[in-house]
Parts: sequence; C-alpha cells; structure tokens
Amino acid sequence: GESVGLHLPTLSVQEGDNSIINCAYSNSASDYFIWYKQESGKGPQFIIDIRSNMDKRQGQRVTVLLNKTVKHLSLQIAATQPGDSAVYFCAETRNNNDMRFGAGTRLTVKP
Amino acid sequence: EAQVTQNPRYLITVTGKKLTVTCSQNMNHEYMSWYRQDPGLGLRQIYYSMNVEVTDKGDVPEGYKVSRKEKRNFPLILESPSPNQTSLYFCASSSSMAYNSPLHFGNGTRLTVT
Repeated sequence: GESVGLHLPTLSVQEGDNSIINCAYSNSASDYFIWYKQESGKGPQFIIDIRSNMDKRQGQRVTVLLNKTVKHLSLQIAATQPGDSAVYFCAETRNNNDMRFGAGTRLTVKP
Repeated sequence: EAQVTQNPRYLITVTGKKLTVTCSQNMNHEYMSWYRQDPGLGLRQIYYSMNVEVTDKGDVPEGYKVSRKEKRNFPLILESPSPNQTSLYFCASSSSMAYNSPLHFGNGTRLTVT
C-alpha cells in the first residue's frame, strides 16, 4: 500500500549547525506535501508546504526540497537553535481529507 | 488568539465507561478532524467533518463517534472505551480542504483506558 515514511527516527545536531530531516513517500498521486513540528506536550504545528509542481520552497530558516523522481522530501533547518528541538512530521495529501503522516523524526539540538 | 481547544488534556478511565473529549475552534473553520497518535504509527485519522451536520469516517473509526451540531465544536465520543483506545488524541481544523489551508491542531488529550 501507499505510505509515508522517514529515513531516521532520531537526529542530533550541534547548535548552529544545519539540520536535514528526510522523508520518503510512495504515493505518486500525492501532489501536496507539508512539514509539521511537534514540541513536547503540544500539537503539530505547520512549518512549510510545497506543491508537486515545485522543487524547492524557502521560509524563514527552513527550506523544503522535493525530488519527485525518487519520491523524496527533505526539510532543511539553517543555524539550528535549541528551540528547534522537536519531532518533525512530513505529510502528503491531495486534500486535507486524504492526508498521510509519517511517524516523525525527533530532532535534538545540543548546546 | 486563534486556537483549537481540547478538553480534558489528560483522562484516565476504565473499560466500558462512556466518555467525551471536547474540541472547539474559534477560527470559523469549516473542516475539523480527529486523529490518534501512537508510537511508531504517526497520526491516523479517526473521523472528519467538512461542515455542520456532515461527518465521515477516517482510517480508524471503530469504537468512536463524533457529532457536528455547531461549526465550532466537534466532540469525540467513546461509547465503551477499551484498552486499545489508550492513545494521544488530536483535534484539528482548517478553513477548507484546499491546499493552502494548513491544519491547526489542538494540544492533545492523553487517554488511558484500564
């Protein structure tokens, strides 16, 4: 069946370094992808999204890259800060009713 | 402040005792949804509602009920809870099902059924 998955369940980086969180998807019909951040004790929070007609989208300190050839999505966080420590989810969808979430990657930022 | 509010945050109950988890949003959103989050499984959709009086099953609806009598409220009802419903539950809303309408999540309800 179709699924959304993550390459690594945990990622540890040094404060100030760049972080890269990866996600693989298998549903070729998905055309919209989202990254969410979930801090301890809170619900997921929208970070950035990208449509399938784009390869790259940048936000404030975050960049999402989409490689449709290998069905791969990544989230890059520049100059990672302690406040970036959280679980990050990718999600794929064709509309909000058909959204599939990955299991999440836990990012830990070391001071 | 725009938000999705769930209550209670924590709930411990016994098998078979009916319970309701409330969800309310103050953003006038049409779309609302319930998810459960379990280790290693990610978020799985239980039920969703595209508007008042319109609800549909998600991926894991068994053992749950919902209602959407008002636009702002979308309670999740467990008529006869069982231990396999022990989980972390999230309510979410968005203005529509369009692409540029990200989901807004509540802070979760951690349910334990003994």
